[in-house]
This record gives sequence, C-alpha cells and structure tokens, in this order.
Amino acid sequence: DGGITQSPKYLFRKEGQNVTLSCEQNLNHDAMYWYRQDPGQGLRLIYYSQIVNDFQKGDIAEGYSVSREKKESFPLTVTSAQKNPTAFYLCASGDRDYGYTFGSGTRLTVV
Amino acid sequence: EDQVTQSPEALRLQEGESSSLNCSYTVSGLRGLFWYRQDPGKGPEFLFTLYSAGEEKEKERLKATLTKKESFLHITAPKPEDSATYLCAVQPRRGANNLFFGTGTRLTVIP
Repeated sequence: DGGITQSPKYLFRKEGQNVTLSCEQNLNHDAMYWYRQDPGQGLRLIYYSQIVNDFQKGDIAEGYSVSREKKESFPLTVTSAQKNPTAFYLCASGDRDYGYTFGSGTRLTVV
Repeated sequence: EDQVTQSPEALRLQEGESSSLNCSYTVSGLRGLFWYRQDPGKGPEFLFTLYSAGEEKEKERLKATLTKKESFLHITAPKPEDSATYLCAVQPRRGANNLFFGTGTRLTVIP
C-alpha cells in the first residue's frame, strides 16, 4: 500500500540534544512537507521541499533543519536551538491537484 | 494575510442529529480548499478538495460546500464513529503549494 511512514511514534529529547524524525513516502510525490501541531493551534509549516536537493523554510523554521537527498525521504532534525520543541510533528507529501497525504505523526517530548 | 477560521471549536451531537461545521477564509486567490478528518494521536485523513464557489462534494454522511468566503461541512445523521476533529485548509493560488490550516472543530457524537 502506498503511504507515508513516520518514525518513531514517540520521541523524548533531553535539553541541548538534537533529534531526527524520519519520514518516508512511496507515493512518488515530488513535494514533501513538515508541519508542527500544538493544542489549540492550526498546523504550522516548518519546511517544505518541492524537488530532490531543494527545500524552503516555512513559517516556523527556526531551530529546525531538513535534507532531501532522495525523493522518498525527508528527515527533520530538531536542534538544540529550538526552545520549545514539545509538539506533534506531521510529515506530508502532496500532489498539487489532489491534496496532501499525511503520516501518522511523531510526538516529541522534552524531558 | 491568508487566514482560516473554523467554528464552532467543539460540537456535541446526538446520534442522528444533523449539523454543519463552518470554515471562513481569507486568501489572496484561492487555488483549493481542503477538508481533513483527524482522530486523536493520528495524522489528518483527506476528505475533500473544493476549487470553486458553488462546488459540492459528498462522501457517505458528509457533504462539503464552498462559497467565495466560506465552506461548510454538513454532517447528516451522524454516528459515534464520526467523532473526530475536522480540519479545514486553504491553498493560495500564488507561491508554493503549502496549505494554511484552521484550528479545527472537535465533533463528538453521543450514542
């Protein structure tokens, strides 16, 4: 079945630590996206990539980094510069005409 | 500035009691309006895309409609399994393909 796989489902980060969230898709989509979801707020765009080896900052990119070395993969690194990283992170891949397909999310907690 | 407002924030319905969810939007040229369903702890699941005023789409007990300033998600004779958060998002005509999300309506259907 085609879809998006995010891992891990739960992740715990210590202060000052970088962590990487995985996102893999087999939908053959060119575009991939990372969103952050906080209670009471809409999904906010962190980074997006419309093609391999290219990516752009979204609305809240500070403290995050990404790479896009393969069409299928778009990992997100939450760096120590991100002061409030506790949130639910969602990866999506998109077709311009048919909307986005989302992964099942990674819940990141700072301990 | 692109903006999406959903109302009500929360809605409780008796099983079989039909109602509507509202999504008001401000966008500089609408390319598409999207409805998603999100269950707790999971990623959003795509429901509908609407492209132009007057357009309607249906899926089981759900029907989405679009005007120039808002969209409605009508739920007819809901069942407990329809309980979820319903998200609305707009895609502007300009710029990249990213979506701007509202904060959602949390629907609870009581047996």
